Amino acid sequence: GNSVTQMEGPVTLSEEAFLTINCTYTATGYPSLFWYVQYPGEGLQLLLKATKADDKGSNKGFEATYRKETTSFHLEKGSVQVSDSAVYFCALSGRAGSYQLTFGKGTKLSVIP
Amino acid sequence: SQTIHQWPATLVQPVGSPLSLECTVEGTSNPNLYWYRQAAGRGLQLLFYSVGIGQISSEVPQNLSASRPQDRQFILSSKKLLLSDSGFYLCAWSVDGSNQPQHFGDGTRLSIL
Repeated sequence: GNSVTQMEGPVTLSEEAFLTINCTYTATGYPSLFWYVQYPGEGLQLLLKATKADDKGSNKGFEATYRKETTSFHLEKGSVQVSDSAVYFCALSGRAGSYQLTFGKGTKLSVIP
Repeated sequence: SQTIHQWPATLVQPVGSPLSLECTVEGTSNPNLYWYRQAAGRGLQLLFYSVGIGQISSEVPQNLSASRPQDRQFILSSKKLLLSDSGFYLCAWSVDGSNQPQHFGDGTRLSIL
């Protein structure tokens, strides 16, 4: 079955540091890949997505590239801000005809001034 | 634009009491609808999804149930709550079709005493 593995958190960075959150997946077929962000006490927001191999999703300074050869979709940001503190979830879509998303367990990021 | 509403935002219930959480979506027709539970420090668990009125698929056995009485309304219910039902409940919608991102509401924090 499908699965998503994210790096264990929490991750603590200083403001303006470079961020990488690793995500690898196992899936059959050609899933779409997503990153969601959850701010404290809120629901999940779609941060970015990629629908095919070598696609790069980007939003709000965050980027992730769909790497089929390494089955990875690592999230990066060049310079984090305190307001980026949140939990980040990697997810993939199900097989064709399926409506499910498979989520990783989430990585908590704390950015300190 | 599409919006999703969940209520209540916070709920404290005694063990054995009934539950009704409501979710509505605006600005789209015939969405796929989802209920997730997020336990403290853990990832998301898909509970139910629906592809149309009266069509409910359950992903895990439990004492919860879901109903979709109208196209854009999704209700999560229980006749008798258990302590283990505590958690953060999230409703989400997506357009019909696979490989689509899901869009989440702000969630309901449910505490069972």
